[in-house]
Amino acid sequence: AAGVIQSPRHLIKEKRETATLKCYPIPRHDTVYWYQQGPGQDPQFLISFYEKMQSDKGSIPDRFSAQQFSDYHSELNMSSLELGDSALYFCASSSPARTGGHNSPLHFGNGTRLTVT
Amino acid sequence: GEDVEQSLFLSVREGDSSVINCTYTDSSSTYLYWYKQEPGAGLQLLTYIFSNMDMKQDQRLTVLLNKKDKHLSLRIADTQTGDSAIYFCAEMNYGQNFVFGPGTRLSVLP
Repeated sequence: AAGVIQSPRHLIKEKRETATLKCYPIPRHDTVYWYQQGPGQDPQFLISFYEKMQSDKGSIPDRFSAQQFSDYHSELNMSSLELGDSALYFCASSSPARTGGHNSPLHFGNGTRLTVT
Repeated sequence: GEDVEQSLFLSVREGDSSVINCTYTDSSSTYLYWYKQEPGAGLQLLTYIFSNMDMKQDQRLTVLLNKKDKHLSLRIADTQTGDSAIYFCAEMNYGQNFVFGPGTRLSVLP
């Protein structure tokens, strides 16, 4: 079965550079989530999109922005990178199970490991 | 507020059962999940349970939910070295917020 695809798998950037991470959700999934996982930490929610509109916002710095496109893929844009931005960035998607109050589980990609030097 | 707690470490011997515990505070949780993360890898959904259930079994995995005490556990029968990983408990509440616990690092000793 198709899974969530993230690219690139690894990215090395210098301080103050910009980076763009891409996420391709599972087909027919309409909701995309971005998470940041620092070393030894649990994943922290950054932002989510439902039907191409931002649906929720977590601890995403102002230097970061994201969007979901018409084909449901999403991109996380990161500017003025700092050493502390080094982390695993996960994208997750969920299916349109918003009937009867049920929520479908999040399916995660393998992540993009960003290293800022 | 939302808070999910787990013990950080668990060591078991190969062949024994592992029990990983999780407590949560949000009584509006609709689904509770267990994810597995191997070193350098993504988060793999292991299993999940709806809040109106108290048990779910899937092969070697058994999930127990005590909604009154807001306590969730994951039991892995016949634990193998390949089960060594970090296990995250997570909850989804009616506000569509998805919250992870800190993760339990399971070490399986030969």
